[in-house]
Amino acid sequence: QSALTQPASLSGSPGQSITISCTGTSSDVGGYNYVSWYQQHPGKVPKLMIYDVRNRPSGVSNRFSGSKSGNTASLTISGLQAEDEADYYCSSYTSTNTVVFGGGTKLTVL
Amino acid sequence: EVQLLESGGGLVQPGGSLRLSCAASGFIFSSYSVNWVRQAPGKGLEWVSVISSSGDKTYYADSVKGRLTISRDNSKNTVFLQMNNLRAEDTAVYYCAKVLRGGRILTGVFDSWGQGTLVTVSS
Repeated sequence: QSALTQPASLSGSPGQSITISCTGTSSDVGGYNYVSWYQQHPGKVPKLMIYDVRNRPSGVSNRFSGSKSGNTASLTISGLQAEDEADYYCSSYTSTNTVVFGGGTKLTVL
Repeated sequence: EVQLLESGGGLVQPGGSLRLSCAASGFIFSSYSVNWVRQAPGKGLEWVSVISSSGDKTYYADSVKGRLTISRDNSKNTVFLQMNNLRAEDTAVYYCAKVLRGGRILTGVFDSWGQGTLVTVSS
């Protein structure tokens, strides 16, 4: 159950687009369309932003989008805003009936 | 409104035990599987365990298998996590999390989270 690989940190300016990658294996990300993304502000509870690779829960801005190619999933945030500054985690169902999270990416809005 | 309220955390010595509870409201509890996810201080999220809606199926992360046991009481809308033989590396905030959809037990799609309860394992 190795954690999925995410960049530790990313930064962008307001209005820009950024993409966070999440790399796993064929036993998790590559094998199933059960990739989710969570946003967590400091001291707050994680919030579901994307599920099943590319679906947005109601209430989540359409500036957030998800995709997957092979063993790598991606979260793209367009039109970056100050409120997007947070930690982001990907997760995936795995072939051993578990869930694995990524190590998290700290997004800084410059 | 969906609400999940964890309780039972605290300070425990290595090798000790704790029982966490997660009281749920605002949805048809018996129709959804429930998970525990933990977060060590300053660290990332780690999935711990899941229990099916009826309670007949459970799955665990390798790091806790054999030491933690998940259970539920659908008559009380509550999920439990019995934690035995605790180690320093179990120190974390423990969140219970509801899945987005009924049906499949485990997909990693957690749409509602409690505020968490802190477990500290230290002598």
